[in-house]
Amino acid sequence: ETTLTQSPAFMSATPGDKVNISCKASQDIDDDMNWYQQKPGEAAIFIIQEATTLVPGIPPRFSGSGFGTDFTLTINNIDSEDAAYYFCLQHDTFPPTFGQGTKVEIK
Amino acid sequence: EVQLLESGGGLVQPGGSLRLSCAASGFTFSSYAMSWVRQAPGKGLEWVSGINNNGDSPSYADSVKGRFTISRDNSRNALFLQMNSLRAEDTAVYYCAKDRVDQVENNFDYWGQGTLVTVSS
Repeated sequence: ETTLTQSPAFMSATPGDKVNISCKASQDIDDDMNWYQQKPGEAAIFIIQEATTLVPGIPPRFSGSGFGTDFTLTINNIDSEDAAYYFCLQHDTFPPTFGQGTKVEIK
Repeated sequence: EVQLLESGGGLVQPGGSLRLSCAASGFTFSSYAMSWVRQAPGKGLEWVSGINNNGDSPSYADSVKGRFTISRDNSRNALFLQMNSLRAEDTAVYYCAKDRVDQVENNFDYWGQGTLVTVSS
């Protein structure tokens, strides 16, 4: 089973900041990494596919990078509406596994 | 607009059973694989089970194999999870998730809002 180590678990940002969230895989997963945003009581939203591709309709301040074992979700010029829980998913190996999640608070 | 709406959660005693449902709309349900994913309180997400578009070849996490059964009814656009022999460690919010293709690849593009299952005496 591929373990995903996501960090940090919590972060507080000010509007306009640049935020990086890391997800490290215990083995090579190519680019089979997705990122999601979830707000309390709502369905998770698909924001980054295949590590680097922005899902249509997602604001361009979101971006993804990485390949193999190290991946990063970046939020540029963070907005108050970006306050949410973010998690990564690898779908390269079975079973699919998830990062522990990052709660982003906006001051 | 794609919508996935889970139902059927609740409080159940250890050893009991529960059947979850996921009502799908806004896409051709019969063309896509579907999965159940859960999140225990204070924990990360855990994939539970997946099923391809035709209902063949279900797959399960080791933690639920032999106790849970996934199924679907394409005529009703519905996904199900029959949970038997429930344990305290099955307590979680259960989400249904849509795959991007017909086979189970666990590459999810849509999620439901979840339904809470609590296993306690």
